[in-house]
Amino acid sequence: SQKIEQNSEALNIQEGKTATLTCNYTNYSPAYLQWYRQDPGRGPVFLLLIRENEKEKRKERLKVTFDTTLKQSLFHITASQPADSATYLCALASSGTYKYIFGTGTRLKVLA
Amino acid sequence: NAGVTQTPKFQVLKTGQSMTLQCAQDMNHEYMSWYRQDPGMGLRLIHYSVGAGITDQGEVPNGYNVSRSTTEDFPLRLLSAAPSQTSVYFCASTGTGKGNEQFFGPGTRLTVL
Repeated sequence: SQKIEQNSEALNIQEGKTATLTCNYTNYSPAYLQWYRQDPGRGPVFLLLIRENEKEKRKERLKVTFDTTLKQSLFHITASQPADSATYLCALASSGTYKYIFGTGTRLKVLA
Repeated sequence: NAGVTQTPKFQVLKTGQSMTLQCAQDMNHEYMSWYRQDPGMGLRLIHYSVGAGITDQGEVPNGYNVSRSTTEDFPLRLLSAAPSQTSVYFCASTGTGKGNEQFFGPGTRLTVL
């Protein structure tokens, strides 16, 4: 069955460092991969989309890579700040569908 | 624009009771979906709709009904609540174009006793 894995353990990093989160998937060939941020008690908020034919996408301090051979996406936050502390979710969808499958998310804590 | 709105924010039900979770969007999006979020399980798709009058099942549809009579509204009905339906429910809408971002509502926290 399709499976998406994100590191379930919380990631703690020092302010100013680069945070790297991982999203691995199996038994799936996604055409689209999205990353979301979720704060406690709130709905997810869209951050970035990357397509299967794209290797890398950037938006301000955020960078996403998509390796369809390794079946992995990496999400980087450079110059991290305490305000970046949240849970980050990856979501994948096949071509021709709006249906996304979500990972369980990784909780990031940036220490001042 | 209000975006995606959900009501109520919190609800407590007894086993066997029925209720409707409301969801509305004002972005004229065709695609809407309902998810539930449980600890350690991530977001799981319950039902979705690709337009008014068209709905389909997601990953965990049992115990839930939906309808889509207008573009704006996509209510989720629990016909006979069970403790296993205790969860946080999120509604989302998506604009046209594959891969477009999903806009999520603030969620409804449901407890079934």
